[in-house]
Amino acid sequence: EVQLVESGGGLVKPGGSLRLSCAASGFTFSSYSMNWVRQAPGKGLEWVSSISSSSSYIYYADSVKGRFTISRDNAKNSLYLQMNSLRAEDTAVYYCARACSTSCYYAFDIWGQGTMVTVSS
Amino acid sequence: EIVLTQSPGTLSLSPGERATLSCRASQSVSSSYLAWYQQKPGQAPRLLIYGASSRATGIPDRFSGSGSGTDFTLTISRLEPEDFAVYYCQQYGSSPPIFTFGPGTKVDIK
Repeated sequence: EVQLVESGGGLVKPGGSLRLSCAASGFTFSSYSMNWVRQAPGKGLEWVSSISSSSSYIYYADSVKGRFTISRDNAKNSLYLQMNSLRAEDTAVYYCARACSTSCYYAFDIWGQGTMVTVSS
Repeated sequence: EIVLTQSPGTLSLSPGERATLSCRASQSVSSSYLAWYQQKPGQAPRLLIYGASSRATGIPDRFSGSGSGTDFTLTISRLEPEDFAVYYCQQYGSSPPIFTFGPGTKVDIK
């Protein structure tokens, strides 16, 4: 079964750090670009960051640039998001999502169940 | 940066009715890189349509997408009870290479 499972969310104080992980299974992880997407409580979806299959290309939303770092370990079938200098507005459910490559024009075809990050004092 | 606007914000319909959702871009979008997602409460989004008009694997044919340039439409031909959800459009821009989601349209039961 193709699956993405996020972990690492929790409660953190403003200015703090957190590292999210996403474990992939059921597909050749190293062949796909991966993404983080977040959703603040009661709000819409916001793309956060993307990383290409070999980590050659990395992109961030302006709202997290300089504070968040995306990375991956293809040997471990895992995607990561290091979040530093966290702010209250970073409070959200964080989803990892697979981009389905050229076959469906990089749409996000597989999503994890999400992990909640709460930034509060 | 391209901004996506979705209308209406909420669509109140009855099962069996036709739903027409609009996604408008602030500048022209490549049709190849326009997608639609469905999200139900407490669940992750699900890909419905990619390339503006291609259904993703397992998506019923009552869902269809169309449009080009700045105007795109998601149509649900006959609403089933499980179709009441929030729908998001998304575009992938190559310059800069970022993804943008629209604010969503909620389809609820009338």
